[in-house]
Amino acid sequence: QVQLVQSGAEVKKPGASVKVSCKVSGYTLTELSMHWVRQAPGKGLEWMGGFDPEDGETIYAQKFQGRVTMTEDTSTDTAYMELSSLRSEDTAVYYCATDNGIPHNYFDYWGQGTLVTVSS
Amino acid sequence: EIVLTQSPGTLSLSPGERATLSCRASQSVSSSYLAWYQQKPGQAPRLLIYGASSRATGIPDRFSGSGSGTDFTLTISRLEPEDFAVYYCQQYGSSPYVTFGQGTKLEIK
Repeated sequence: QVQLVQSGAEVKKPGASVKVSCKVSGYTLTELSMHWVRQAPGKGLEWMGGFDPEDGETIYAQKFQGRVTMTEDTSTDTAYMELSSLRSEDTAVYYCATDNGIPHNYFDYWGQGTLVTVSS
Repeated sequence: EIVLTQSPGTLSLSPGERATLSCRASQSVSSSYLAWYQQKPGQAPRLLIYGASSRATGIPDRFSGSGSGTDFTLTISRLEPEDFAVYYCQQYGSSPYVTFGQGTKLEIK
């Protein structure tokens, strides 16, 4: 059973960056393909990017290219998502989500979410 | 990018009734790589269905998925009070890129 525990809520000013963490337990990070999905208040789910096990690289949704960086620290089994040049429209709950150890791009496990508020 | 359109936007039904939720893709979803999730307020989404028709672990058999190509359906055969939530479809056929539908809210009539 995979458990994903995310870092706490953040409040940032426009133009700043935010880095959200996602700690894995039950599996090691190297056994999983981690993705990030966000949800603006009252809105639907939006995929931001994730690890592609077929070529071993992280890929990003075109909308976030150049502004998002997803990294992993395998020594602590922690994944990170950093979003830069924040604007008010980035206010959302950010989720990490992953498979069950068998590579596929639907999400068996989700973190609890991290609320990022962008406000001056 | 494959765009998923869910209908209806809101579905009002009573406990015990049958719910039918639709998800239509802008182009064919390869290998029926279509998943469904349930989300309740303040919670993360929960995987219900993958591969268009396979139930995830622990999901009751009143939930079923069907469809192929561009048209997919999630059916809840007999609604329980805990089933009232928002439902999202997700395609992963254009792997590694994925997209979600905009959601259908299932509310108590």
